[in-house]
Amino acid sequence: AQKITQTQPGMFVQEKEAVTLDCTYDTSDPSYGLFWYKQPSSGEMIFLIYQGSYDQQNATEGRYSLNFQKARKSANLVISASQLGDSAMYFCAMREGRGGGSNYKLTFGKGTLLTVNP
Amino acid sequence: GAVVSQHPSRVICKSGTSVKIECRSLDFQATTMFWYRQFPKKSLMLMATSNEGSKATYEQGVEKDKFLINHASLTLSTLTVTSAHPEDSSFYICSAGGLAGRETQYFGPGTRLLVL
Repeated sequence: AQKITQTQPGMFVQEKEAVTLDCTYDTSDPSYGLFWYKQPSSGEMIFLIYQGSYDQQNATEGRYSLNFQKARKSANLVISASQLGDSAMYFCAMREGRGGGSNYKLTFGKGTLLTVNP
Repeated sequence: GAVVSQHPSRVICKSGTSVKIECRSLDFQATTMFWYRQFPKKSLMLMATSNEGSKATYEQGVEKDKFLINHASLTLSTLTVTSAHPEDSSFYICSAGGLAGRETQYFGPGTRLLVL
């Protein structure tokens, strides 16, 4: 079974509108972390936002927010006020393991290609 | 802060030769480094995890004799693709973890390998 599922291969949004990118995950570990990364056509992976499994509030970073629904095992990314520069591939990823931290491996979803139209 | 570099950014080599890719954390000590492979329009696939001074841990299905990983210091890890073949052509990305207080790994810009 896939650990990270992104069901939207591609999404389109009009500039200045909000868009939600879906991500569901599967783990039996009570301690885990969820990440979203942006990958432009240049290939670099840009960290956007992080949500820990014990965090009570949804994470926010500027125009990015993470809609964390633990019981449903979903961690959707919401981008508000889309910009042309937001056009890129977006990956949801999960880290499993005790204690948190960045020394644990990540499992990535297949990604969603977001296109922002002017 | 939290910059990770990779060198070279792009390499073309002949079949049968070996290619070394360097991954450096420029402004922090990376206790763990990760190597990923990405095919066009696909997700990142973890190849191996390396810790400074110890042997790398390879994911299932990754040939450790073909993809040699060395983590010589807290700021440098290298991936050597030995006896490269056209099917090894891919985008290779490293990431570094261990920055205090940060949950995310930091990724290098990637290396595009083309084996002719």
